[in-house]
Amino acid sequence: QQPVQSPQAVILREGEDAVINCSSSKALYSVHWYRQKHGEAPVFLMILLKGGEQKGHEKISASFNEKKQQSSLYLTASQLSYSGTYFCGTEPADSWGKFQFGAGTQVVVTP
Amino acid sequence: DTGVSQDPRHKITKRGQNVTFRCDPISEHNRLYWYRQTLGQGPEFLTYFQNEAQLEKSRLLSDRFSAERPKGSFSTLEIQRTEQGDSAMYLCASSLVAGATYNEQFFGPGTRLTVL
Repeated sequence: QQPVQSPQAVILREGEDAVINCSSSKALYSVHWYRQKHGEAPVFLMILLKGGEQKGHEKISASFNEKKQQSSLYLTASQLSYSGTYFCGTEPADSWGKFQFGAGTQVVVTP
Repeated sequence: DTGVSQDPRHKITKRGQNVTFRCDPISEHNRLYWYRQTLGQGPEFLTYFQNEAQLEKSRLLSDRFSAERPKGSFSTLEIQRTEQGDSAMYLCASSLVAGATYNEQFFGPGTRLTVL
């Protein structure tokens, strides 16, 4: 099943913080976060693995609660370049590789 | 350019025609994914390959869709007897997977299909 993302959209001023949440009903092996700008392909931001390992960009942070199968992406001190649609992709523990993406969270950062 | 490439970038076809898309992954990547994305939605999983083996296929995929990766390098996605509901962006992504490791996917620019 498709993971559920919230909020659907958020508007920020430069320098403000935001949190995007992703929730799955299935046990997960990993959670991936991508950002897509209009007319472009999704770009990798972060991977969080079951067991606590993670890999991603320096300025992006995220968490993965394995008990709740929930992940959160933290946008800190937002910049104009953070604007775009953020997708979480979940990889089920029983179906490695079969990713399901959420519907996305549209982020707009204004000056 | 060593990224993922897709061809063509745009395809307009009439209902009932067959179309084929090509994806060239990053050369050392062993895993290749196909997704479909419609406006306002996230990528929808279609299928993926580990080298030349097709390991998973979405149940949403009807018999009209088929994908191949004959030598474990490039891949093709064919849609037979296209329907207007097939209009979407078709995305290809590749990754390098070795054991239980990170599996970040690198996406291509996509092929936009319009079925008239």
